[in-house]
Amino acid sequence: NAGVTQTPKFQVLKTGQSMTLQCAQDMNHEYMSWYRQDPGMGLRLIHYSVGAGITDQGEVPNGYNVSRSTTEDFPLRLLSAAPSQTSVYFCASSYRAAYNSPLHFGNGTRLTVT
Amino acid sequence: AQSVTQLDSHVSVSEGTPVLLRCNYSSSYSPSLFWYVQHPNKGLQLLLKYTSAATLVKGINGFEAEFKKSETSFHLTKPSAHMSDAAEYFCVVSDRSGGSYIPTFGRGTSLIVHP
Repeated sequence: NAGVTQTPKFQVLKTGQSMTLQCAQDMNHEYMSWYRQDPGMGLRLIHYSVGAGITDQGEVPNGYNVSRSTTEDFPLRLLSAAPSQTSVYFCASSYRAAYNSPLHFGNGTRLTVT
Repeated sequence: AQSVTQLDSHVSVSEGTPVLLRCNYSSSYSPSLFWYVQHPNKGLQLLLKYTSAATLVKGINGFEAEFKKSETSFHLTKPSAHMSDAAEYFCVVSDRSGGSYIPTFGRGTSLIVHP
């Protein structure tokens, strides 16, 4: 049981490049989400999904795109990378899209944009 | 609307002494509250959760937290710190407001444990 798997672990991009951060979970979780973590800011929600085919914006969605074609996968796309997107990105899933359901996190992707 | 405040950005203790990490919350509904721990270069791991059952919640690794509605607090404690407890700790609140599941994270408390 792998839990939540994120790839790659590290990535360096030049300004304007695009890339996809991968996230997969093998727990048949209904809810998946993407966060970014910056020093002193805690975790901020980028996008989330309450099931296959359903996505919605979080607190900081600009510059990011998501899709959820299967229950297992929830990729995050950076359309045109900017230095402000340098951050650590975490994917998290939950059994249900419910306020009392805890999150399971991947180990993160550390992204640097130069 | 929901919000959460972690009152200390850093807490420093000696090994073997008690740990107290403070968290205050605001919620218009009966909230669920969580504590997560993040070790260096790792993802967040659930320590414990409160979901309207017993107000004293026991978690992993000897941690516990008490939900105090009158004080809107959910402080995390441990009787005796261990070197392996050094990490970042996040308090999280989530309630039924807005109809969507968007938990709110505190900014984190860094726990430093001295030998």
